Amino acid sequence: DVKVTQSSRYLVKRTGEKVFLECVQDMDHENMFWYRQDPGLGLRLIYFSYDVKMKEKGDIPEGYSVSREKKERFSLILESASTNQTSMYLCASRTRDRVGNQPQHFGDGTRLSIL
Amino acid sequence: SQKIEQNSEALNIQEGKTATLTCNYTNYSPAYLQWYRQDPGRGPVFLLLIRENEKEKRKERLKVTFDTTLKQSLFHITASQPADSATYLCALGRYNAGNNRKLIWGLGTSLAVNP
Repeated sequence: DVKVTQSSRYLVKRTGEKVFLECVQDMDHENMFWYRQDPGLGLRLIYFSYDVKMKEKGDIPEGYSVSREKKERFSLILESASTNQTSMYLCASRTRDRVGNQPQHFGDGTRLSIL
Repeated sequence: SQKIEQNSEALNIQEGKTATLTCNYTNYSPAYLQWYRQDPGRGPVFLLLIRENEKEKRKERLKVTFDTTLKQSLFHITASQPADSATYLCALGRYNAGNNRKLIWGLGTSLAVNP
């Protein structure tokens, strides 16, 4: 079974801090994703990476950056945390194929609170 | 703009009945549609994929239909059980080379199966 592991289930940080969320997958997947999930807004894509050192902005990249130095690890960085970044953050991975319809495999999320 | 709508109200049904969840979309022409299950505090888990040239897909007690004329997918759980209680998400994707990495997500429908 694919396993996607997020470093923390719960995290509390202060406004202005630099925050790192880590995600590791064990299935050699090329594609990795970071989402945030908020009530009434659903899953929104922040960034995705289609291979090592490759990244592309999603729908809401402002205030975030990412790093993919190794295939199995995809990090999300909140450069200067703000209260409106309090959310559930979900990481996902997917194998690359010709048509791109492979399922995404999710971690269990990090519930981040910015005080 | 692209829009996906799932049953906005929570669905409550009696154990043993068939649950039917809907996913409607506008301003979009998906090549495929995926259904996921999400339990509270957990990440989504992939259930089924259906492509635009497929009318119906089945997996054990699950059945998905895809009607590109009506722009609608129906997700059925037959002989429902309390363990089926969860939120169900639909997600649409295209094969377009530029965008095949991204899915468009619905907000989900909460299903409660009462014993």
